[in-house]
Amino acid sequence: AQSVTQPDIHITVSEGASLELRCNYSYGATPYLFWYVQSPGQGLQLLLKYFSGDTLVQGIKGFEAEFKRSQSSFNLRKPSVHWSDAAEYFCAVANNAGNMLTFGGGTRLMVKP
Amino acid sequence: EAGVAQSPRYKIIEKRQSVAFWCNPISGHATLYWYQQILGQGPKLLIQFQNNGVVDDSQLPKDRFSAERLKGVDSTLKIQPAKLEDSAVYLCASTVKWASDEQFFGPGTRLTVL
Repeated sequence: AQSVTQPDIHITVSEGASLELRCNYSYGATPYLFWYVQSPGQGLQLLLKYFSGDTLVQGIKGFEAEFKRSQSSFNLRKPSVHWSDAAEYFCAVANNAGNMLTFGGGTRLMVKP
Repeated sequence: EAGVAQSPRYKIIEKRQSVAFWCNPISGHATLYWYQQILGQGPKLLIQFQNNGVVDDSQLPKDRFSAERLKGVDSTLKIQPAKLEDSAVYLCASTVKWASDEQFFGPGTRLTVL
């Protein structure tokens, strides 16, 4: 069975600073990997996903993530954080049958003015 | 395009009572999911339907939880009887077909069991 670990429960960054959220997964084959964002009072929204090919994927709202097979990681990055990015971020993995989406515990991002 | 609809948005019940949640997925989406999200945790998949068949329900506590998706469209999740530890947000999501497709999530139903 696959699993996802997000080591950082909370992260605080200053507005305009760069951001990296960590995600480590466990799965025997090449997984499908996702990042979702959950803003207060709103539903989960897909930021980006990786299936195959280029290991650097671009998403919405200026986010990107890099798949590193050797490290079993799929870290999310943004070069300059905006106050509106404050939210909870979830990394998730699906098996290679396209089923069983498993979420990590989430990282809560706070943005200082 | 209308999103995933869920009702009710909030529900408060006493332990040992029963409760039901309803979900209407995006039109044309074959696959429907129910997740449980306990405060401070990520969503946990309870059950996955493709059309009106169950793809996976390995994490559904079947002694108290049940779900159905009659006619392959909307779905109902029931808890009977509820326990204190069932307090959570219950999220419904749908995809065109696979979990590898983008999942569109509903706003959730926040359940409080007293």
